[in-house]
Order: sequence, then C-alpha cells, then structure tokens
Amino acid sequence: GAVVSQHPSWVICKSGTSVKIECRSLDFQATTMFWYRQFPKQSLMLMATSNEGSKATYEQGVEKDKFLINHASLTLSTLTVTSAHPEDSSFYICSADNGMVAGGYNEQFFGPGTRLTVL
Amino acid sequence: AQSVTQLDSHVSVSEGTPVLLRCNYSSSYSPSLFWYVQHPNKGLQLLLKYTSAATLVKGINGFEAEFKKSETSFHLTKPSAHMSDAAEYFCVVSTTDSWGKFQFGAGTQVVVTP
Repeated sequence: GAVVSQHPSWVICKSGTSVKIECRSLDFQATTMFWYRQFPKQSLMLMATSNEGSKATYEQGVEKDKFLINHASLTLSTLTVTSAHPEDSSFYICSADNGMVAGGYNEQFFGPGTRLTVL
Repeated sequence: AQSVTQLDSHVSVSEGTPVLLRCNYSSSYSPSLFWYVQHPNKGLQLLLKYTSAATLVKGINGFEAEFKKSETSFHLTKPSAHMSDAAEYFCVVSTTDSWGKFQFGAGTQVVVTP
C-alpha cells in the first residue's frame, strides 16, 4: 500500500512554455502533499506544502507565481512550472502524507520523481 | 526548529565490509527520524524509521540504525556491503512542531568496490 505516482516521469520543453506535473496517491487519501526539487548531486529541497482545498504554503525563496500548485482532491496535486527557463531544469519529487499519527508521527510516501529539462 | 547533518558526503567501502553512515540531528521536540536511499535517477526508498519506539531500528536489506538521544545521533549501519548498496543515502528528521515537514540531510554517496 501507500503508493504515490507522478506523471510524466520526464519531460523536455522549450523555454517560455509551461509544464504541468501530476502527483497522485493511488491507494490512500492525502490531505497534505509536498513538492521537492532536487538538483544533480544535491539533496531534496522542500518547495511547498499543498493542502487539499486550500492554497499551498511556499518555502522562503520559492516563487509562488512561478510554481503553481493545485490540490484539488485528496488524491491529486499538480505543480505547474510557468514560463519555464533552463534554470528550472531539475528533478521534481512529490510526496503524500497519509495523516497517520499512530506513534506520534506522520509518514510521507514519495513519488518516483519527474525529470524536467528546459531547452 | 529542526535540522539534520550527515557527517560524510562520500563513503567508499569494499564489498563484504561494514558500512557506517553518520547522521546527527537537532530538534526542539521529540523527533521522528528516517533513512532513505536513492539509486541513480530513481525515487526515494524508505530504509527504516524511528518513531519513539525501540531505539534500535531494523530496516530493509540488512540495514539498521540506532537512536541515541544523548548524542543526538541516528547512524545507519550494515554489517556487510553489497554492490547493490551503491547509492545516495539521506537522513531525514521530522518533528511535531513542523507540521509534518521533512528536513533532509545533504546526503551521503556510497561507493562499493569489488
């Protein structure tokens, strides 16, 4: 159980276009989803926290008008990179929180990631 | 506030020898701690987690980690490295005051030589 999918797994686009990445929790409902960005040979950097039915909360330094996040249902969150530029090329990873607090902790389940290359 | 420090950016071991990946954390509240592995161009896989139960945690693929509160450490070990263990490893901390957010360490690259 607790499977998270992302689509597409990789995408190449031209500079100036917009790209949408989907994150789905396949077998559980996720009130909270997270979006991360990972540059080559680096760690994951949290971009934003997405809560179903409300506006996303962005981390400091992340442009909310650049990275549009929509969490329309308990199983789907989308990240749209608007007017993409080569510096936006990165590995984007989402995770879904199952909301379980048994033992006093929440657990995140990670998607396989989306490789974005902007030409 | 929470943070996590992985003390080694790169570890090289011979196949069949022990592996030790070091992780120290800082948190204002009781932490939950995780170790994830990421193979090249792949997503994250959970190796193990500590959530205030037993301090010695056993995970998948022969890995284990020990939570030491006095040392604020959560080091990952494996008695015998396999070639397939070559990957990037991330130590992660989360606390109840962080609204479920994960704080990732910088990562440790493990190289296994024959």
